[in-house]
Amino acid sequence: AQSVAQPEDQVNVAEGNPLTVKCTYSVSGNPYLFWYVQYPNRGLQFLLKYITGDNLVKGSYGFEAEFNKSQTSFHLKKPSALVSDSALYFCAVKQGGKLIFGQGTELSVKP
Amino acid sequence: EAGVAQSPRYKIIEKRQSVAFWCNPISGHATLYWYQQILGQGPKLLIQFQNNGVVDDSQLPKDRFSAERLKGVDSTLKIQPAKLEDSAVYLCASSLASGWEETQYFGPGTRLLVL
Repeated sequence: AQSVAQPEDQVNVAEGNPLTVKCTYSVSGNPYLFWYVQYPNRGLQFLLKYITGDNLVKGSYGFEAEFNKSQTSFHLKKPSALVSDSALYFCAVKQGGKLIFGQGTELSVKP
Repeated sequence: EAGVAQSPRYKIIEKRQSVAFWCNPISGHATLYWYQQILGQGPKLLIQFQNNGVVDDSQLPKDRFSAERLKGVDSTLKIQPAKLEDSAVYLCASSLASGWEETQYFGPGTRLLVL
């Protein structure tokens, strides 16, 4: 069965510094990986996905993610964090039609 | 382009009562999903529709939960009777098709509190 793990419950970053939110996966076959962001009292917003091709995937709001097959990781990154990036971030893997989500990582960006 | 619409946004009921949630997917999206998100956890799929047919309802507690998607557009999710552990956010999502590469787009969710 497919699964994802987000090893950090919370990540704290100063505004302007680079940020990384970690995700590792376990799949049989080719991985289809997604990142979503959830703001308070809002639904999940799609950020980016890896299907095939370049290992560096660029997404919305300046976010990007690096797919690393040997380390089975799909870490989310941003070169310069904004206070408005503070939210809950979910990594997910596709299994059939459904998304299997990690438990989420709370990102806090302080001024 | 309008996103996925859900109503109501919030609902408070007592245990053993019934409740229904409504979802209107993005226009033209054939596949519709209902997820349950318990506080502190990632969303978990309850049911997936392709047009008006059920593709996957393996995680739906069928003794109390039911869902339908008449005419292949709007969908309703019902809980009857509700239990305390049903307190969660219920998220509806839609995608153009059901392929592995398809992106799912989520609505704002319905936050349910069962007292």
